[in-house]
Amino acid sequence: EVQLVESGGGLIQPGGSLRLSCAASGLTVSSNYMTWVRQAPGKGLEWLSLIYSDGNTYYADSVRGRFTISRDNSKNILYLQMNSLRAEDTAVYYCAREVNTYASYYFDYWGQGTLVTVSS
Amino acid sequence: SYELIQPPSVSVSPGQTASITCSGDELGHKYASWYQQKPGQSPVLVIYQDTKRPSGIPERFSGSNSGNTATLTISGTQAMDEADYYCQAWDSTARVFGTGTKVTVL
Repeated sequence: EVQLVESGGGLIQPGGSLRLSCAASGLTVSSNYMTWVRQAPGKGLEWLSLIYSDGNTYYADSVRGRFTISRDNSKNILYLQMNSLRAEDTAVYYCAREVNTYASYYFDYWGQGTLVTVSS
Repeated sequence: SYELIQPPSVSVSPGQTASITCSGDELGHKYASWYQQKPGQSPVLVIYQDTKRPSGIPERFSGSNSGNTATLTISGTQAMDEADYYCQAWDSTARVFGTGTKVTVL
C-alpha cells in the first residue's frame, strides 16, 4: 500500500523559511515523478513543483526562485524548501505521485497535507 | 499562462446526472484528469486520460474531452458525490488545475 505522509508545516513569520517533508512508503521516491500542490484556505488546488526521476525540477511561476524541491533517496523522502515566505503562501501543502506517460500526466497518490500559516 | 475554467457550482437532484465542464485552449489535444475533494480531505483521482476510471471509482463517473472542453459526468448522482471537483491538464512542463466546481446534491 502506498502512503505519503507530509510534515513540517506550522506557523512562520513573513520572510521566514520552512522545509516540508513527504515520507513515502510503498513507492520509491527516486524512481517516480513527485510533485507538490497547495490549497489556500477556501481556495482551489495550485500546482507548485515537480521532480522527475532523472532529477530535473520544474516550478510554477508563483514560487520559482523561492521554493526548491528535492529528495533524499536513502530516506525515501521528498522535500520542499520554502524561503521568503509571504502571507499568500498560507495553505495546506500536499505531496503527490505523478503518473507520467506520453502526453498524460496525473496524480494518483496524495498525502494528507500539512498546513503552513504565514503570519506575524 | 494556461488556464482551465470550470463553473463555480453545479446543483443536481439525487439520481440525476451532473455534468461539469472544464474549458481550456485546445484542451482536447491534451489528456485531462479529474479529482474529487471532500471537505477536510485530500483530492482523489476519479478520471484520468480523459475517460479512464481508477480502480475503486464507481462506474457512474465518466469523462470526455473534445475541442476546448473536457467534461466529467456523474450519472445517477448520490449524496456521497457532493464535493468539489477539479480538472487538471498540463502546459509545457507545468501542471494546471481547473478553478474547481462545487457539486451540491439537493
